[in-house]
Amino acid sequence: DAKTTQPTSMDCAEGRAANLPCNHSTISGNEYVYWYRQIHSQGPQYIIHGLKNNETNEMASLIITEDRKSSTLILPHATLRDTAVYYCIVRVGNQAGTALIFGKGTTLSVSS
Amino acid sequence: GAVVSQHPSRVICKSGTSVKIECRSLDFQATTMFWYRQFPKKSLMLMATSNEGSKATYEQGVEKDKFLINHASLTLSTLTVTSAHPEDSSFYICSARVPGITDEQFFGPGTRLTVL
Repeated sequence: DAKTTQPTSMDCAEGRAANLPCNHSTISGNEYVYWYRQIHSQGPQYIIHGLKNNETNEMASLIITEDRKSSTLILPHATLRDTAVYYCIVRVGNQAGTALIFGKGTTLSVSS
Repeated sequence: GAVVSQHPSRVICKSGTSVKIECRSLDFQATTMFWYRQFPKKSLMLMATSNEGSKATYEQGVEKDKFLINHASLTLSTLTVTSAHPEDSSFYICSARVPGITDEQFFGPGTRLTVL
């Protein structure tokens, strides 16, 4: 699976959009970009994933550059409850029986 | 999304004792479950892959005789930490993949183990 690079930490004001970047310059054509987050002392939570096109769901939007070498997770209106570690993971889709491998992620701190 | 539960949520035990942690898929059947360990301020580290009806596959450096995994049914996997020591104190998290959904992996809430 391709390696990802994320900033160690980011701050965001409550109510503002939080834009979390991820670099994955060695991504291959059949690899998806997944985003998970982990709130303190809880299990990780799935947020969103995509292959080429931008994706949006009730939690967030995922913007993938045309060359697919980087992506941005957008939380449109961050709240205090969005404070968490956000993990960007790149892997081939539909790999039955294989686990997600986590990097260090970005610690997002949302403050009022 | 699919729900994965863990029991207990936290446990404190004496050094030398064994502790069993249960991981259940509540609304789906999981042929494969995964066990992770997370130390304070660190990322999740994959320990092993648990396959229903067969032996678990352990990651390099994880002692299979110390961390016993049993996946006896399609909804239950157990992790037993044998002869626990203080250095085994950690946050243990299980997860499962939902068959038929594009590679989404759902995680349990975690079990905080403290070995005195």
